[in-house]
Amino acid sequence: QSALAQPASVSGSPGQSITISCTGSSNDVGRYDYVSWYRQYPDKAPDLVIFDVTHRASGFSNRFSGSKSGNTASLTISGLRAEDEADYYCCSYSRGDFKWVFGGGTKLTVL
Amino acid sequence: QIHLTQSGAEVKKPGASVKVSCKVFGYTLRESTLHWVRQAPGKGLEWMGGFDPGEGEILYAQKFQDRVTMTEDTSTDTAYMELSRLRSEDTAIYYCTTRLSPVYYWFDPWGQGTPVTVSS
Repeated sequence: QSALAQPASVSGSPGQSITISCTGSSNDVGRYDYVSWYRQYPDKAPDLVIFDVTHRASGFSNRFSGSKSGNTASLTISGLRAEDEADYYCCSYSRGDFKWVFGGGTKLTVL
Repeated sequence: QIHLTQSGAEVKKPGASVKVSCKVFGYTLRESTLHWVRQAPGKGLEWMGGFDPGEGEILYAQKFQDRVTMTEDTSTDTAYMELSRLRSEDTAIYYCTTRLSPVYYWFDPWGQGTPVTVSS
């Protein structure tokens, strides 16, 4: 069981928007603005997409955006493209035993 | 260009130990904090441990505390992660990754991953 809860899968058609949620607790997502998101293609290492809740990493367009409300962070991808199909993971700094906690990952399918 | 290069795949028997290396290029270990994350087959990412600037030492996730040792050789800018008393559930890809500054609360870049298979 992962420390942060993400939906196992989401899907959307090209051009549509999707949002992936990431629910933690007052010890992590709710306490710190240190939420990051990672994209992972099959058999590849993760790539940073979003850092500090809302900031886009180098190489990612404004189609990618992040937000947070309370204990839940979200990643929104607009104008879906085939190349967005991948697994997405959230991560947060934590004051618990695990200093860093990840979500279980969400598989994005572009229909 | 900043990148991390890890050692190759390993196959180990249950009860053995494995030591994975991670060499950094384009910056130095002293300037950053290096962490280790693993991913079991078909599963998500799991933080194992890394240097915590606030504590001034390497912290381990409690789950691995009694079996993992992370070290750094600043003369060669190479980090190591050794996991002992291996069991089949330790079969995973082990990634090194870094926070390039103590005030950066994200991981970037990542090494290419080292597959470790534990099988009798």
